[in-house]
Amino acid sequence: NAGVTQTPKFQVLKTGQSMTLQCAQDMNHNSMYWYRQDPGMGLRLIYYSASEGTTDKGEVPNGYNVSRLNKREFSLRLESAAPSQTSVYFCASSGPGLAGGPYTGELFFGEGSRLTVL
Amino acid sequence: AQSVTQPDIHITVSEGASLELRCNYSYGATPYLFWYVQSPGQGLQLLLKYFSGDTLVQGIKGFEAEFKRSQSSFNLRKPSVHWSDAAEYFCAVGKRSTGNQFYFGTGTSLTVIP
Repeated sequence: NAGVTQTPKFQVLKTGQSMTLQCAQDMNHNSMYWYRQDPGMGLRLIYYSASEGTTDKGEVPNGYNVSRLNKREFSLRLESAAPSQTSVYFCASSGPGLAGGPYTGELFFGEGSRLTVL
Repeated sequence: AQSVTQPDIHITVSEGASLELRCNYSYGATPYLFWYVQSPGQGLQLLLKYFSGDTLVQGIKGFEAEFKRSQSSFNLRKPSVHWSDAAEYFCAVGKRSTGNQFYFGTGTSLTVIP
């Protein structure tokens, strides 16, 4: 019973390098999310996808792009990494629920990806 | 704009003592309300949630929370804390109108001393 799987778990980048964080869920959830967690800041929403084929910006989208590849997968890309993007990134999914409809579930989280940008 | 405030950054309690973690939210209507727990190096796990109905909700691990509309609060309580409860606790709100956005507080770190 995998739930939400994120890869990689750890990554070190140099400033200006690019990378993609991968996320997959096997719960047939419609909605998926990317959060970043920083000390004293809690979790902040980067992007979310209410359903397959749609993505929307969250609180802190600058410097990131996302792709909802299919219902299972939601990737987060850093095109040109900056030290300010050093953080722990969490992918989450939720369901059931239709895009734009009232939410009725909870968030299920992956174990996190620790990214360091030098 | 919606916001979630957890005024206590860090709390220390003795094992067996009672616990209350505070959460206040700012939102134009009654949101969905959640408490999550995060153990070191782990993702977040749902403790309990409030959608509607009875304002006192029970969760896992002996936790409960009470929704008080007049105070815009959703405080988490436990009558007797165990050493294994040491973790980071996050309050979160979900927007009913669009249904698919969740906002988290900054968290409260709980230390339990023997």
